[in-house]
Amino acid sequence: GNSVTQMEGPVTLSEEAFLTINCTYTATGYPSLFWYVQYPGEGLQLLLKATKADDKGSNKGFEATYRKETTSFHLEKGSVQVSDSAVYFCALSGYQAGTALIFGKGTTLSVSS
Amino acid sequence: DAGVIQSPRHEVTEMGQEVTLRCKPISGHDYLFWYRQTMMRGLELLIYFNNNVPIDDSGMPEDRFSAKMPNASFSTLKIQPSEPRDSAVYFCASTLARVGSNEQFFGPGTRLTVL
Repeated sequence: GNSVTQMEGPVTLSEEAFLTINCTYTATGYPSLFWYVQYPGEGLQLLLKATKADDKGSNKGFEATYRKETTSFHLEKGSVQVSDSAVYFCALSGYQAGTALIFGKGTTLSVSS
Repeated sequence: DAGVIQSPRHEVTEMGQEVTLRCKPISGHDYLFWYRQTMMRGLELLIYFNNNVPIDDSGMPEDRFSAKMPNASFSTLKIQPSEPRDSAVYFCASTLARVGSNEQFFGPGTRLTVL
């Protein structure tokens, strides 16, 4: 079945450091891929998405590229801020309308000034 | 749009009591999902509905859990009787499903504590 594996956390960085959070997936067909972010005490918010191979999703300085050959969707940011401290979830859904999301276990990012 | 609305935001109850969690999806969305989040198991899909009809409830942990969606703007998740191991954050999410795009919008969650 479909699954998502993301790197274990926590990830601790200093402000302005480069961030990479690895995500790989197993899926049949042509899944859509997502990164969600959860700030303390809040629900999940969509950060970015990609719906086909080689697509790059980007938002708020974060980027991720849909790599079908390596079944990966790694999240990157060139210079993190303290306000980026949160839990980040990689997720996938099937191509058909209405399929449920499958989430990775989440990676906690802590950024210090 | 107000987004997905959940109530209550926090619930503390005693073991054996009935708990009802409520969700109002985004207007016009045709799918509604209930998730549970715990430290040990992460985010788990419990059940989801399409046009108010349950599609997959295989994630519902046991018969103590039930969910309904009487109309397009309201859903409930009920636990009866509740147990301490049900303590978790419960999220509701909705989406307007389209081929190739199943982005879901999440509510703020209900933090349930069963003593």
